[in-house]
Amino acid sequence: DIQMTQSPSSLSASVGDRVTITCRASQTISKYLNWYQQKPGKAPKLLIYAASNLQSGVPSRFSGSGSGTEFTLTISGLQPEDFATYYCQQSYTTPYTFGRGTKLEI
Amino acid sequence: EVQLVQSGAEVKQPGESLRISCKGSGYSFTSYWITWVRQMPGKGLEYMGKIDPSDSYTSYSPSFQGHVTFSADKSIRTAYLQWSSLKASDTAMYYCARQASGYDNDYWGQGTLVTVSS
Repeated sequence: DIQMTQSPSSLSASVGDRVTITCRASQTISKYLNWYQQKPGKAPKLLIYAASNLQSGVPSRFSGSGSGTEFTLTISGLQPEDFATYYCQQSYTTPYTFGRGTKLEI
Repeated sequence: EVQLVQSGAEVKQPGESLRISCKGSGYSFTSYWITWVRQMPGKGLEYMGKIDPSDSYTSYSPSFQGHVTFSADKSIRTAYLQWSSLKASDTAMYYCARQASGYDNDYWGQGTLVTVSS
């Protein structure tokens, strides 16, 4: 299985901050990398697919970049509703493994 | 509007069998794979595998192979996740999700909480 390593595992920030979350794959996955947001008690929500494509309806303050083995999710201008847990997932080869998550806290 | 609606919470005893469901609407059900994801209490997301509702072809994560079974009934637009003998360690929230063409999961069910306790 491809291992996905997210860092940091938790992050404290303030409204208006710019934050970056990193995801590394144990082998190359081209651009088959997705980012999800999950709030407590809710299902995950797709933010970014194929490394850098913004899912419809997701605010433009979210952006993704990277290819190969290293990827980033950036949130520019944090809003109160952005405090949540973020997961990366590779969809290059099954099983489509997830990272362990990054909890973004105020 | 695309929707995946999952069956309600279940409380079972160890050794019992269980089948939970995921009903799709608002899109061509047979055109998209359905993915199953486990989330144990307080933990992260785990990919279990997927099923193609058009022909019920399945792909299981090795971590779940042999312990769960995916099935689908395209006539009623419903996918299923089942266990023949539950364990306490199966206690978790289970999500179904639609796999989009880029292999991401663009729509998710609301989750089904399964509690296994004696």
